[in-house]
Amino acid sequence: GAVVSQHPSWVICKSGTSVKIECRSLDFQATTMFWYRQFPKQSLMLMATSNEGSKATYEQGVEKDKFLINHASLTLSTLTVTSAHPEDSSFYICSARVPSGYDEQYFGPGTRLTVT
Amino acid sequence: AQSVTQLGSHVSVSEGALVLLRCNYSSSVPPYLFWYVQYPNQGLQLLLKYTTGATLVKGINGFEAEFKKSETSFHLTKPSAHMSDAAEYFCAVRNDKIIFGKGTRLHILP
Repeated sequence: GAVVSQHPSWVICKSGTSVKIECRSLDFQATTMFWYRQFPKQSLMLMATSNEGSKATYEQGVEKDKFLINHASLTLSTLTVTSAHPEDSSFYICSARVPSGYDEQYFGPGTRLTVT
Repeated sequence: AQSVTQLGSHVSVSEGALVLLRCNYSSSVPPYLFWYVQYPNQGLQLLLKYTTGATLVKGINGFEAEFKKSETSFHLTKPSAHMSDAAEYFCAVRNDKIIFGKGTRLHILP
């Protein structure tokens, strides 16, 4: 199946700083990518839908000025957590949609963000 | 609106016993249904999916699920549990975007 990578796999940053997470589709072009966050022992919550070349669509309650999403190419989407706070500590997972008959969606391995 | 309900946040079964993880969905249109597995500190791995056609879907690692429209269910089963099956399992439904259930942690007892 298609492969989605994320970088970094884990990151620790100080409160008030910004951190960027990359999501790449390695062997296919993804016109649509999704960003999820997962708190410990909880489910994945969709944060935003990222379409190549256009602005991301954010889910209700997600601060778009805090979680900046850029989908500059068909293989790369980035999530920047700006002015991070300890409550932003979470597991962030991206996924990429394969433009096929069933629009299969593949998930990245996740990025563990810890804000100190 | 679409939603997913997973009954039981924790399920424990003995090694070799039947695994049954329950999932009910709500969708205004015929859904695509998925089961994913997540091991600690890892991403999601697709176990199986239902899109159209045969309602009994076979997946990896011996898992299968049956789509029952009348019951709006998509329960996951495995005839004989293995220790390596211990993980978090998520049922999901997709129309335009994937919505996940809250997850069920499967514990395997020796």
